[in-house]
Formats: sequence, C-alpha cells, structure tokens
Amino acid sequence: DTEVTQTPKHLVMGMTNKKSLKCEQHMGHRAMYWYKQKAKKPPELMFVYSYEKLSINESVPSRFSPECPNSSLLNLHLHALQPEDSALYLCASSQESQGAYEQFFGPGTRLTVL
Amino acid sequence: QKEVEQNSGPLSVPEGAIASLNCTYSDRVSQSFFWYRQYSGKSPELIMSIYSNGDKEDGRFTAQLNKASQYVSLLIRDSQPSDSATYLCAVLSGSARQLTFGSGTQLTVLP
Repeated sequence: DTEVTQTPKHLVMGMTNKKSLKCEQHMGHRAMYWYKQKAKKPPELMFVYSYEKLSINESVPSRFSPECPNSSLLNLHLHALQPEDSALYLCASSQESQGAYEQFFGPGTRLTVL
Repeated sequence: QKEVEQNSGPLSVPEGAIASLNCTYSDRVSQSFFWYRQYSGKSPELIMSIYSNGDKEDGRFTAQLNKASQYVSLLIRDSQPSDSATYLCAVLSGSARQLTFGSGTQLTVLP
C-alpha cells in the first residue's frame, strides 16, 4: 500500500482565516514532507520531518506552521496567508532506511487565498 | 546550488513510438534518481527509481543512469496517449536527502 491521503482536496480561505491541511500515511514511513507547487512549476520543498522531528525548514514564512503529532500524521497550519500562497500543497512520505528513499506523494490540497 | 536540468519541451511523439526524456544533474555525490509522472491537475506519481549505473526496466519504461556523465534518462516504449503528462526528473542529494526536481518535460503522445 503506497497511499498518502490528504484533506481537504480543495480549500478557499480569506487572508484573515486560520485553516489546517492534514496528511496521513500508514506505510510505516519515518519521513514526511510538505511541498508547494505552483502551476507549470516543479514541487518546492517547504518542510521535512524525520522521525517526528522537524529536520528541514526551507525558509518558509511563519504564516505556515507545520506539526507532526505522530509518525503517521502531518499537519500544516495556515494563518494570514496572501493571495500568492495559492497553490497545490503536496504531502509526501518516505521510508528513510538503507536504500529506500523513494518519496510517495498524496493527491494534494488545492488552496485558493482570496 | 544543486541543479537538475531536463530537456526542454514540449515533446510530441506518435502513438507506438519511443519517447526519450533526458536529465542532467550538477551534484556529483547524488546517489538516488527518480522519475515522476504528473498528469494535469494531479500530484506526482513515482514511476521509476534508479541507484546504479546502467539500465533498469519496468514494463514499457526504461531508466538509464550514467554517473560519470551525470546523466539520467527515461525511455517509454510503445507510447500511448495515456502517457501524455509532465515527467519530472528528481535527484536526491547525498547528505541532506532532499529531492531536487527538474523543471519537467511535457510529453504529448499523438493518436
């Protein structure tokens, strides 16, 4: 089973709203990732959690706040976003053990900021 | 700055032909290489991973890796219209284990 699930599929929010994106995997993977993808561009890495600890933050603005409650779950809390933050937000996971570094992506959350 | 370059598209091939997608990378210590397929409006789907020099075949897909030339390619044999998508080359950096993506090549298979 190589499934990563994400909710919601679509989200429309105003610049003063607070919302959260959720990601779940049950593959026993130990690393989880948040990416942002704009139209016709490759995914851009935002955050990496390895063994439930934040290991990489790619200089992401503080209006994006990641959280890893346990090894299967990853959240991205959103607050005071800007219209330019509208994008496809992708969660991914990987096993992070010897020789198994494939990252598997969830279906994404399409975010529109008004 | 680690870079991954893909041959500029878009690429069009007739149905049944071989589609060839190319990728070069700048970080010599990279050890892991991946090809993702992304349909319009969908998320990237992993279709091939390759770690050693040479060829790796999976159905109609063949990945080729040449670490000396810092080059990785994907061949799609007997291309089908359903193969029409953007193909992303991704390279895992040696130390940080971060994926660096190429800009993608849009492939269209014409019926």
